[in-house]
Amino acid sequence: AQKITQTQPGMFVQEKEAVTLDCTYDTSDQSYGLFWYKQPSSGEMIFLIYQGSYDEQNATEGRYSLNFQKARKSANLVISASQLGDSAMYFCAMREGISSGSARQLTFGSGTQLTVLP
Amino acid sequence: NAGVMQNPRHLVRRRGQEARLRCSPMKGHSHVYWYRQLPEEGLKFMVYLQKENIIDESGMPKERFSAEFPKEGPSILRIQQVVRGDSAAYFCASSLDGTGDNQPQHFGDGTRLSIL
Repeated sequence: AQKITQTQPGMFVQEKEAVTLDCTYDTSDQSYGLFWYKQPSSGEMIFLIYQGSYDEQNATEGRYSLNFQKARKSANLVISASQLGDSAMYFCAMREGISSGSARQLTFGSGTQLTVLP
Repeated sequence: NAGVMQNPRHLVRRRGQEARLRCSPMKGHSHVYWYRQLPEEGLKFMVYLQKENIIDESGMPKERFSAEFPKEGPSILRIQQVVRGDSAAYFCASSLDGTGDNQPQHFGDGTRLSIL
């Protein structure tokens, strides 16, 4: 079973508008962390935002916010006021807690390619 | 540059040769992770190391691949007798503490390995 599912292979958004990138996850752990990374065409991986399973408030970092719905096991990334430079591949990732027996590696989704249109 | 440093950025090898990929973690970070990214896919975990110890190598192919993180110097991912299927981007990440769920892993720019 997929641990991280990103159902949108590609998304388009008009410059200055908001966009939501979907991510659902599967874990039996009570303690876990969810991360979003951005990978522009140049290839590097850029950390954007983190949400802990016990965090009561949705995480925000500048124009990025995370719509965390624990009961639905979803952690959607919201980018407000899109800019041309936001065009990139976006990956959702999860780190499960010690109770799962996992080490501290991240499990990644397959990514969403976001294109911002001028 | 205080970030994770990987070199080389691009590496070309012929089938049967050895590939050595290097990673220097961020200053103060003692936990290193290696991931592989095939074209059009997400990153897949390979191995997690601390200084002089392999903590988890469950994602590493059993043959031809090895990794180390010596007391001094960078972490090395070594691929012996490379084959075409090894062509991929290899990313190294480091974190301050391997035990905190909220510790982000900071990634290097990756090494793009091409096998001729």
